[in-house]
Amino acid sequence: NAGVTQTPKFQVLKTGQSMTLQCAQDMNHNSMYWYRQDPGMGLRLIYYSASEGTTDKGEVPNGYNVSRLNKREFSLRLESAAPSQTSVYFCASRTVNYGYTFGSGTRLTVV
Amino acid sequence: GENVEQHPSTLSVQEGDSAVIKCTYSDSASNYFPWYKQELGKRPQLIIDIRSNVGEKKDQRIAVTLNKTAKHFSLHITETQPEDSAVYFCAASQDGGFKTIFGAGTRLFVKA
Repeated sequence: NAGVTQTPKFQVLKTGQSMTLQCAQDMNHNSMYWYRQDPGMGLRLIYYSASEGTTDKGEVPNGYNVSRLNKREFSLRLESAAPSQTSVYFCASRTVNYGYTFGSGTRLTVV
Repeated sequence: GENVEQHPSTLSVQEGDSAVIKCTYSDSASNYFPWYKQELGKRPQLIIDIRSNVGEKKDQRIAVTLNKTAKHFSLHITETQPEDSAVYFCAASQDGGFKTIFGAGTRLFVKA
């Protein structure tokens, strides 16, 4: 089992460009999440999807959109990238009442 | 709003010593407390968790204790090894809930 797979691993964008981060899990988990991690800030929730067909805002949703494409896939889109969105992004999934399984992360730099 | 405070932010110990990381949570409805280890450049990984109906849980060299009355929980690592060097995050959530509150992390250095 691959667990949670994220692509790409690295990305450099110019301010104003758009991109989509892809995430897929093969553990049959219902809920999926997108976090960003900045130095000294820990992990902050951007959006989550409790189940297929639903999405909800987390702590820092501004500037992002998400799509829960099916049970396996949950994508994160930056419509117009800003330098403040430079961060490491982690996708995660979990089953009820258990901890997260994280993807390997996407290191995004916006210049 | 809900928050989780984690201390210390940095901890340096000698190989073989014990390390203790402490967290305090604010939401009294929280009843699930996982701990994650993140090595440099890697993803966070769940290493141990505890639920509110248990006061202590142990897995080899790591243990977690919970004081629900005081809203404190702690991670204890005994006989530390260089490979224990990482950032450790505590977290709190509710069973059945979808939001987890993370602490800011503790960077543990184990000196050989």
